[in-house]
This record gives sequence, structure tokens and C-alpha cells, in this order.
Amino acid sequence: RKEVEQDPGPFNVPEGATVAFNCTYSNSASQSFFWYRQDCRKEPKLLMSVYSSGNEDGRFTAQLNRASQYISLLIRDSKLSDSATYLCVVNIGTGGFKTIFGAGTRLFVKA
Amino acid sequence: GAVVSQHPSRVICKSGTSVKIECRSLDFQATTMFWYRQFPKQSLMLMATSNEGSKATYEQGVEKDKFLINHASLTLSTLTVTSAHPEDSSFYICSARKELNYGYTFGSGTRLTVV
Repeated sequence: RKEVEQDPGPFNVPEGATVAFNCTYSNSASQSFFWYRQDCRKEPKLLMSVYSSGNEDGRFTAQLNRASQYISLLIRDSKLSDSATYLCVVNIGTGGFKTIFGAGTRLFVKA
Repeated sequence: GAVVSQHPSRVICKSGTSVKIECRSLDFQATTMFWYRQFPKQSLMLMATSNEGSKATYEQGVEKDKFLINHASLTLSTLTVTSAHPEDSSFYICSARKELNYGYTFGSGTRLTVV
């Protein structure tokens, strides 16, 4: 079983739709969580951190469920520009810890 | 902020030559930097962890003599692909973290093509 798993997609949604991605992690020592966005042939860019209480940034909402060991990303009112690959990133352990990247979920938003 | 600069962004080299890629943290000091490789339509794969003032830590399956890492200062790490071959063609990305539990900032990546 992979340490961090994501549905690779692709998710094809129309503009204005709401779409949600889940990411599961296997290591209970996971400490911090992030969602990154990666556009084609570009470097990943931090979209948002994921906090235990859940957090929102505009149209994006991230949630963490430690009991079930998953994080989620909800995108409301999808825009064409949201088309990208969304990477789930998990830091495991304390100190110098280990970072695991999910393989990413591809999203295509169509007009 | 936390800015990481990577250079060059694109390089084409002949088989058998060596290529050096630089990764700089511009507004923070990074005792640790990370080097990744990404093949088309695949996820980022960690190659090695670069530690300032000490040897890099390589992931399993990554040849340390082929991918030389030097982290001579708190703001600069370099990756040298030695005796490059076409199968080394890939997207190489570095990253650094401003502080623990902070998100990673990535360099803009280097697209290496070996012909």
C-alpha cells in the first residue's frame, strides 16, 4: 500500500461545478499536510496547508480527518484556470521528518 | 516569503557530458534542500536530501556518483548530472523549507534533455 494515495483522475467538470478530491495516508505519525497545485511542465506550488480544524481560502476548502487518515480538498465554482494536477503532501514524524508526495489528481475544467 | 530560484530552466546536452543545476534560497537560509525528478505524467520522486556542510542523503536506487550534490552554503545547493545519458532526460526540481512544518517552496525546475 502506498503511503499517500490519491485518485489519479482525471476529473472532468464543467465551469461552475464543485469538485472534491480525497487523499489517504497510511502512517499515523503524519504531522502536517498540504495541497499543492502543479500545472503542466511547471513546478508544484503550495495551494494551502491543511489544519486539523479545516480551513478555507476563497473557493478552496481543505479538511483533515485524522481518525480515518485522509485529507480532502473542495473546489467550489470551478474556473477554467483551476485545471491542473493537485498533489497531496504529507510530512511524517517530527524533527527532520519525511515528506511524501501523492501522485496527484488531474482536474480538467471545461467551458 | 520563501523564494527558491533554480537555474538553468532548460538545458540540452550531449550524451556523456555533465550538467550542473543550481538551487538557491533567496530570502531564507536552508540547511536542507531536496532534489526531485519527475518523468512525464508521473509524480515527483525524491532523489536526495542535500545537507549544508555534510554529505547528501540519497534515496534508494539513486546513484550518488552519478548525481553529485554539493551544499556548500546555507543558500545554495547544486546537482551535477555526470556523464548524462538520454534516460537521464527529465524534469529536475529542487525545494527547500523555510522552517519546520512550513510548506515546501519549489524552484522552477530544470528540464534536461540529453541527446
